[in-house]
Amino acid sequence: AQSVTQLGSHVSVSEGALVLLRCNYSSSVPPYLFWYVQYPNQGLQLLLKYTSAATLVKGINGFEAEFKKSETSFHLTKPSAHMSDAAEYFCAVGGANSKLTFGKGITLSVRP
Amino acid sequence: DTGVSQDPRHKITKRGQNVTFRCDPISEHNRLYWYRQTLGQGPEFLTYFQNEAQLEKSRLLSDRFSAERPKGSFSTLEIQRTEQGDSAMYLCASSFSGLAGGTGELFFGEGSRLTVL
Repeated sequence: AQSVTQLGSHVSVSEGALVLLRCNYSSSVPPYLFWYVQYPNQGLQLLLKYTSAATLVKGINGFEAEFKKSETSFHLTKPSAHMSDAAEYFCAVGGANSKLTFGKGITLSVRP
Repeated sequence: DTGVSQDPRHKITKRGQNVTFRCDPISEHNRLYWYRQTLGQGPEFLTYFQNEAQLEKSRLLSDRFSAERPKGSFSTLEIQRTEQGDSAMYLCASSFSGLAGGTGELFFGEGSRLTVL
């Protein structure tokens, strides 16, 4: 079985500060890993994905994530937060049938 | 370019009534998924189809829930005898998987929010 752990439910940063959202996964097979973003009352939008190519993955809106097998982690980072980054972020792990298992999500707040 | 569309976006119903949600996936996608999301939680898998075949159902999907994808295109999710605990956002997603498999990326619709009074 696959699972994702996102520690903490809320992260608050100042505009211009580093964003770090943590994700740890459990998978019995080499995983596909994803970060999705959700704005209020909307569906999920893909930020980036890891599919066993480069371990450092660059996504949209300046986000990137690094796959670390030894730590079973796939943390999401952005060097400089913008007000428009305020949203809920979900880490997910995928299996052979493309069924994704999501974490509980982290709400990112950005202070002016 | 049309993405995944869901209808209705919002539904308010009384306990005990039946409701049906429709999902139109991206046209070339052969896989279609239904997820449920409650407040403060991540999406939880309900069921998925490859073409018209329903290949997996979660234990979350009680007998009151039924999903169909009759021609391998659009899908419907029906909830019979709704309960207050069914209040949630119902998300549909689609993907393409060929002989070589897919990257697993799901494309989501904007969801159908159900409120059961």
